[in-house]
Amino acid sequence: AQKVTQAQTEISVVEKEDVTLDCVYETRDTTYYLFWYKQPPSGELVFLIRRNSFDEQNEISGRYSWNFQKSTSSFNFTITASQVVDSAVYFCALSEARDTGNQFYFGTGTSLTVIP
Amino acid sequence: DVKVTQSSRYLVKRTGEKVFLECVQDMDHENMFWYRQDPGLGLRLIYFSYDVKMKEKGDIPEGYSVSREKKERFSLILESASTNQTSMYLCASRLDRGNTEAFFGQGTRLTVV
Repeated sequence: AQKVTQAQTEISVVEKEDVTLDCVYETRDTTYYLFWYKQPPSGELVFLIRRNSFDEQNEISGRYSWNFQKSTSSFNFTITASQVVDSAVYFCALSEARDTGNQFYFGTGTSLTVIP
Repeated sequence: DVKVTQSSRYLVKRTGEKVFLECVQDMDHENMFWYRQDPGLGLRLIYFSYDVKMKEKGDIPEGYSVSREKKERFSLILESASTNQTSMYLCASRLDRGNTEAFFGQGTRLTVV
């Protein structure tokens, strides 16, 4: 079963619009960690944020914000006033504390295109 | 700056060739990973290593092997390349703790003809 689901395959928005990328996860662990990565056209995945399962506070970093809700097993990512440089593939990932291999479980990614 | 470096950005190999993809990290991380990325499938784990000379199969190990003789280097080997191994390959490393992020290399786009 897929541990991380990103149902939106592709999204297009016009510059300055807000956009939310959805992420739903599945785990039986009580301690786990959630991540968002950005993959620009250059190819390298860039770390954006980490959240542990005990911290449900939402986080804001400039135009980026993250909404973590354990009740719905979701960790959504919102970009406010989108810019062309936000065009990229975004991945949500899960890591479980009991996993001795320290694996990441990635979603299939959401490709965001911001149109000027 | 922390660094994960993959030896090649682009590679073109012939069917049946033995292919080596090299990855080096300078962060003294215990864990290293090889993923392949294909459209619509996201990142799929091929192999990972949690220590020198240790390796574990990921979700899609068939047709691949790995080598980790030194802590900083993790090699992915395609014993006999096939066209269905044409893909983007990403190497990553991570400290030995679940709450840390992974650092990725720039990726190697491999084409097997």
